[in-house]
Formats: sequence, C-alpha cells, structure tokens
Amino acid sequence: NAGVMQNPRHLVRRRGQEARLRCSPMKGHSHVYWYRQLPEEGLKFMVYLQKENIIDESGMPKERFSAEFPKEGPSILRIQQVVRGDSAAYFCASSSRDRGANTDTQYFGPGTRLTVL
Amino acid sequence: LAKTTQPISMDSYEGQEVNITCSHNNIATNDYITWYQQFPSQGPRFIIQGYKTKVTNEVASLFIPADRKSSTLSLPRVSLSDTAVYYCLVGMDSSYKLIFGSGTRLLVRP
Repeated sequence: NAGVMQNPRHLVRRRGQEARLRCSPMKGHSHVYWYRQLPEEGLKFMVYLQKENIIDESGMPKERFSAEFPKEGPSILRIQQVVRGDSAAYFCASSSRDRGANTDTQYFGPGTRLTVL
Repeated sequence: LAKTTQPISMDSYEGQEVNITCSHNNIATNDYITWYQQFPSQGPRFIIQGYKTKVTNEVASLFIPADRKSSTLSLPRVSLSDTAVYYCLVGMDSSYKLIFGSGTRLLVRP
C-alpha cells in the first residue's frame, strides 16, 4: 500500500538549527500540500506544490520556511534557524487533481513531529 | 470559504449510531462538504464527501438537507477504534486549500 510517506516521523532540533522534512506522494500523484498542526488545533495550510513549481505558498511564513518538489525525489519542507514556536506536527498530503473527476481528494501522510528545544 | 461549526466533543458507547452535525450557513453553490477523521499522532483520513441529499460508503453516511446549510455525518455501530477527531470541511471541488476547524472529538466508551 504505497500511501503518502513522510520522514522522519519525529525530529528534534535545537534553536537555530535547520529542519528538513520529506514527503513522498502517493504513486501517480503530482500535487503535494503541506499543513501544520499545533496541539489541540486543526491543520493549517502552508503550501501547494506541483513538480518543480510552487503554486501557492500563502500559508507559509515568509522567512525561514521554504518548500520544494523537485522533478526527481520527495518534496522537502525546510525550516531554517528553528525557534520553539516551530514545534508542531507537519503533515504532507498529495492528490492527483484529476480534471475528469468532480472532486479532488487529498491523502495525508503520518506527519513529522518537530520538537525544538 | 464557508465557515463551519461543529460540537467540540461527543461521547458514545460501542454499538451505537453516532451522528455529528456540522453547520455551514454560508455555503456557496459550488461548495462540497467533506469529512475527515484523525487519530492521535496520525494524519487526517478522508471519510466521505457529498454535495446534496445522501451519500453512503462502507464507512459512513452523509446527510445533506435541501438548503445545504448543515450536514450530518452518521457512523453506524461505532466501535472503540472510532474514537478520533472528526473534521467537517466545506469548499469548492477545485479548492486545494483545505480549511480545518477544531473538529469534533468523539469518544467511544465500552
């Protein structure tokens, strides 16, 4: 069952370090979305990418955060100089956005739990 | 995007039917209604989606009245493993920016 894969599942960083979160979409999916979830809250949209393109990054902080989805390999969410407030669960989702379908379902990965010490 | 309102929490017992209602008074003509389930330490899982009347799959049923200002997720004969947070989302079928509220925490007791 090749679902959405994320790694690492848990990541611990000290303030000022960099965090790299990886996401491999489901087979056949070329659209990737990143969400952040704080404890006891719903998920918040961060960024939407297609292969080699950022479509919408309106939910991503302007500084320290970046995302990419290269032609080959997983999508990467990168957080530079992490601060304690970056501690959260980061979820990746993928979809096929089939134009022939009425709706487009996003399938989520298990998430990466980032803890900043 | 239409705002949704759901109960914060619900309690039930194994074997009972659970109905979770979501209000979305400002739903637009092109909006669909989608429900996700999230277990602790896991990503949300798609449950069901509908536009009007009734939709049923192997997991749940979704009831949508004619005015579409609310919807009800129905879980038949819940088990302990149905304990989770359930999110109601409303948006256009082409919208990729899912808006999650705080969801409804369902606790199923033995």
